[in-house]
Amino acid sequence: DVKVTQSSRYLVKRTGEKVFLECVQDMDHENMFWYRQDPGLGLRLIYFSYDVKMKEKGDIPEGYSVSREKKERFSLILESASTNQTSMYLCASSFSSYGYTFGSGTRLTVV
Amino acid sequence: AQSVSQHNHHVILSEAASLELGCNYSYGGTVNLFWYVQYPGQHLQLLLKYFSGDPLVKGIKGFEAEFIKSKFSFNLRKPSVQWSDTAEYFCAVKGGSQGNLIFGKGTKLSVKP
Repeated sequence: DVKVTQSSRYLVKRTGEKVFLECVQDMDHENMFWYRQDPGLGLRLIYFSYDVKMKEKGDIPEGYSVSREKKERFSLILESASTNQTSMYLCASSFSSYGYTFGSGTRLTVV
Repeated sequence: AQSVSQHNHHVILSEAASLELGCNYSYGGTVNLFWYVQYPGQHLQLLLKYFSGDPLVKGIKGFEAEFIKSKFSFNLRKPSVQWSDTAEYFCAVKGGSQGNLIFGKGTKLSVKP
């Protein structure tokens, strides 16, 4: 089975800190995605990548950036964390048109 | 832009009751359709998917969904729910070969023992 691993399950950061969320997948998938999940809002796409060094903005990219230097790793960066970025962050990967495989999520609290 | 609507925010059922969760999407072309489930404290898992062919799709744990193209719908069903089906369910649509998955806002299902 494909495994998508997110480095942290829980994180607490201070307002203004730069935050790195890491995601690694082990099945050579081309496509990787970052979503945030909030109650009543479902999953909203932040950024995605179809290839190494390639990135595309999703629906809510403001305040975030990403990095994909290697095919298996897709990092989400909060340039200056704010309290409204407190959320569950989900990483996913996929091959071509198939369904996504999700990681367990990182619950980020910004205080 | 594509969108997905899930009609119910929270559904409460007793064990053995039948379940139908509504999902409608807006996209006129060829679509791939998915239902994901998130059990409490766990990651999202794929329940079932539709790409083409038989519009009645069977998934894991006794779930099924029917794609009705004329209604732009992909409703999830289960004839008899169990307490262990308590979870949040997300419908998702992918339009075209390069599209991303667009998720609905989710439906929480609570099953009373």
